[in-house]
Amino acid sequence: GNSVTQMEGPVTLSEEAFLTINCTYTATGYPSLFWYVQYPGEGLQLLLKATKADDKGSNKGFEATYRKETTSFHLEKGSVQVSDSAVYFCALDSGGYQKVTFGIGTKLQVIP
Amino acid sequence: DAGVIQSPRHEVTEMGQEVTLRCKPISGHDYLFWYRQTMMRGLELLIYFNNNVPIDDSGMPEDRFSAKMPNASFSTLKIQPSEPRDSAVYFCASSGPRAYEQYFGPGTRLTVT
Repeated sequence: GNSVTQMEGPVTLSEEAFLTINCTYTATGYPSLFWYVQYPGEGLQLLLKATKADDKGSNKGFEATYRKETTSFHLEKGSVQVSDSAVYFCALDSGGYQKVTFGIGTKLQVIP
Repeated sequence: DAGVIQSPRHEVTEMGQEVTLRCKPISGHDYLFWYRQTMMRGLELLIYFNNNVPIDDSGMPEDRFSAKMPNASFSTLKIQPSEPRDSAVYFCASSGPRAYEQYFGPGTRLTVT
């Protein structure tokens, strides 16, 4: 079956530090890959997506590249802000199915 | 649009009581999803509907849980009887044809004592 593995958190960074949150996946076929973000007290929001190999998704300074050879979709940001403190979920959608498989989430805390 | 609306936002109840969680999806969305989030198990899909019809309820933990969608603008998730291990945040989400673009509600935090 499909699965998503994320690095364990929490991740604590100082403001303006570089962020990487690792994500690898197992899936049949050719999945689309996503990152969702959950701010405190809120539901999840789609942050970015990539639908085929070598695609780069980007939004709000965050980027992730779909690497089929390593089955990875790592989230990066060059300079984090306190407002980026949230839980980040890697996810995949295998197409033809309407279910999205989510990772466990990685909590990011950015300190001033 | 007001987004996905859930009620109540918080619910505290005693073991054995019936609990009903409510959701209003975004107008025009034809998929509706119910999730449960806990520290131990993360985000779990319980059930989803397409055009008001339940498609996959394999994530529903047991017969104590039931969900309905009587029309396109309303869904309920019911737990009867509730148990302390049901304590979690329950999210409702809706989407159009692209299921990955799900819009989540703010969640209902359920505490069963």
